Amino acid sequence: AQTVTQSQPEMSVQEAETVTLSCTYDTSESDYYLFWYKQPPSRQMILVIRQEAYKQQNATENRFSVNFQKAAKSFSLKISDSQLGDAAMYFCAYRTSGSRLTFGEGTQLTVNP
Amino acid sequence: NAGVMQNPRHLVRRRGQEARLRCSPVKGHSHVYWYRQLPEEGLKFMVYLQKENIIDESGMPKERFSAEFPKEGPSILRIQQVVRGDSAAYFCASSLDRVGVGYTFGSGTRLTVV
Repeated sequence: AQTVTQSQPEMSVQEAETVTLSCTYDTSESDYYLFWYKQPPSRQMILVIRQEAYKQQNATENRFSVNFQKAAKSFSLKISDSQLGDAAMYFCAYRTSGSRLTFGEGTQLTVNP
Repeated sequence: NAGVMQNPRHLVRRRGQEARLRCSPVKGHSHVYWYRQLPEEGLKFMVYLQKENIIDESGMPKERFSAEFPKEGPSILRIQQVVRGDSAAYFCASSLDRVGVGYTFGSGTRLTVV
């Protein structure tokens, strides 16, 4: 069974600084997708970034980038130039094609002004 | 171009009542997924449906829970004889195809059982 582990229940960062959220996963599949979702207090699940396992290049979306280490089964999220609006719960998630998403337990990110 | 619409946003039920949660997928999406989020936890998969078919219900409790996605109308998650432990946020997501690259979540329904 696939599992996703986020070992940091809480993280904090100063505004304009950089923070990295950790995620590891366990799978025997070779083809899969990895995601980071943001859940603000509004509860809406917002896709932050997506990585296809077959791509060696790390995904980047503006201030958000990932460090994807396939052999180590690690998928960390780096947020640069942190903003107050980045404060939220962040979930790492895994899926294979056509199947369900498996989520980690989340990391609560606080951004200090 | 509306996203995934879930209603109601909040639902309060007394123990023993029935709860019906509705999900209208993105227009043109025929794949629907339901997830449950208990307090302070991540989302857990419940069921995956296509129009008129249940594809994967391995995450659904065996009793009291059912889901459907009829040919016409929204997908419905139905919980019979609710108990306090059913209190959670229930999320629906939809995708255009089985690959699910364009996977879109709704805002969820928060069910409170009193």
